[in-house]
Amino acid sequence: QSALTQPASVSGSPGQSITISCTGTSSDVGAYNYVSWYQQHPGKAPKLMIYDVRNRPSGVSNRFSGSKSGNTASLTISGLQAEDEADYYCSSYTSSSTWVFGGGTKLTVL
Amino acid sequence: QVQLVQSGAEVKKPGASVKVSCKASGYTFTSYYMHWVRQAPGQGLEWMGIINPRGGSTSYAQKFQGRVTMTRDTSTSTVYMELSSLRSEDTAVYYCARGGLRFLDCWFDPWGQGTLVTVSS
Repeated sequence: QSALTQPASVSGSPGQSITISCTGTSSDVGAYNYVSWYQQHPGKAPKLMIYDVRNRPSGVSNRFSGSKSGNTASLTISGLQAEDEADYYCSSYTSSSTWVFGGGTKLTVL
Repeated sequence: QVQLVQSGAEVKKPGASVKVSCKASGYTFTSYYMHWVRQAPGQGLEWMGIINPRGGSTSYAQKFQGRVTMTRDTSTSTVYMELSSLRSEDTAVYYCARGGLRFLDCWFDPWGQGTLVTVSS
């Protein structure tokens, strides 16, 4: 199972919006609405930000939103804040009854 | 509150085995699936497998089939991940992460603090 494809890095200024893409195949992202997104600060464990494509767990800011079109899922962060600077990973369930992650995207807040 | 506390860092020689524990608290242990995910230094996340603490059934990523064993002890609310025939490429932080009530609750939340396993001669 190949990793999902994410851009290595994205950047934005405070207050701006950014979008991180996550491209898979018709056997994972395209097949199910089971995409989730994780935020990871250096030296810390990942934190769930979005599940089932677009749902936010309680306690996660509504500045974070998710969507999907075909084999590509996206995470959008609006109103960028310094604390959003982190690595972001997508994950999807697959037709092999396994899970796969993206390679990760480093978000820099300029 | 839901908490997953993992065992401490390990240093192992190539060819050896390592067993990492993950003690759960703050919820009904047997009600939620548990996943194991690893992260090599400076690299991304890699899914290793899932265990159902209720009956102990498991499913592993093909890459680790034959080398990984996930078990649980319901009396102590602890899950274990044992990886054998270690090689240098297995050097990574290993995380346990709780799944949902159903197999297809496809998220990982929360995560343990991670256990660094270093494989070196």
